[in-house]
Amino acid sequence: NAGVTQTPKFQVLKTGQSMTLQCAQDMNHEYMSWYRQDPGMGLRLIHYSVGAGITDQGEVPNGYNVSRSTTEDFPLRLLSAAPSQTSVYFCASSPTGTTSGRATRNEQFFGPGTRLTVL
Amino acid sequence: AQSVTQLDSHVSVSEGTPVLLRCNYSSSYSPSLFWYVQHPNKGLQLLLKYTSAATLVKGINGFEAEFKKSETSFHLTKPSAHMSDAAEYFCVVSDRGDYGQNFVFGPGTRLSVLP
Repeated sequence: NAGVTQTPKFQVLKTGQSMTLQCAQDMNHEYMSWYRQDPGMGLRLIHYSVGAGITDQGEVPNGYNVSRSTTEDFPLRLLSAAPSQTSVYFCASSPTGTTSGRATRNEQFFGPGTRLTVL
Repeated sequence: AQSVTQLDSHVSVSEGTPVLLRCNYSSSYSPSLFWYVQHPNKGLQLLLKYTSAATLVKGINGFEAEFKKSETSFHLTKPSAHMSDAAEYFCVVSDRGDYGQNFVFGPGTRLSVLP
């Protein structure tokens, strides 16, 4: 298993450009998510998906779009890049189980990250 | 809603001495709790997890954590620090709530290990 893969590893954009960060997992996990990591702020959730065709916003969704057409892939799109989006982006996936009829989350598996700079 | 507080942004210990990284959480339901480690310019690796089984959880590399519901704490400990333990550590909470529940990260604690 490759686990969670992300491309590219590094990217430099100019303000206003658009791009897509790719994320794929081969573990058949239902739950996938995107985080950004900024110094002193831990990881903040951008968007997440609980299965193919289902996505929802996290804590900091503005300026980002996602889609989930397959279980394996969860791309993150920057519509019009801004310097405030300079960050390290992590994709993660997690299997979902149930306990007493409620969905539970097991640990997340993280990709290696994409370091994005917006000039 | 859940939240996580990591009480120290930076902890510095000498090699061979104990490590204590503190984490407190708030949760509306019975939570799952995790500790992740991130070495410089690397991704995140799971150290250990608590998911309502034994309250004392053992993880990789000699780390362990104890879930204390009465104190809403999940502190990470290691008896003897090694130079390779120098990294950023994140405490994470996940509720057993509705299907759309997510993971909430603490701000992180940077551990320095002095020779």
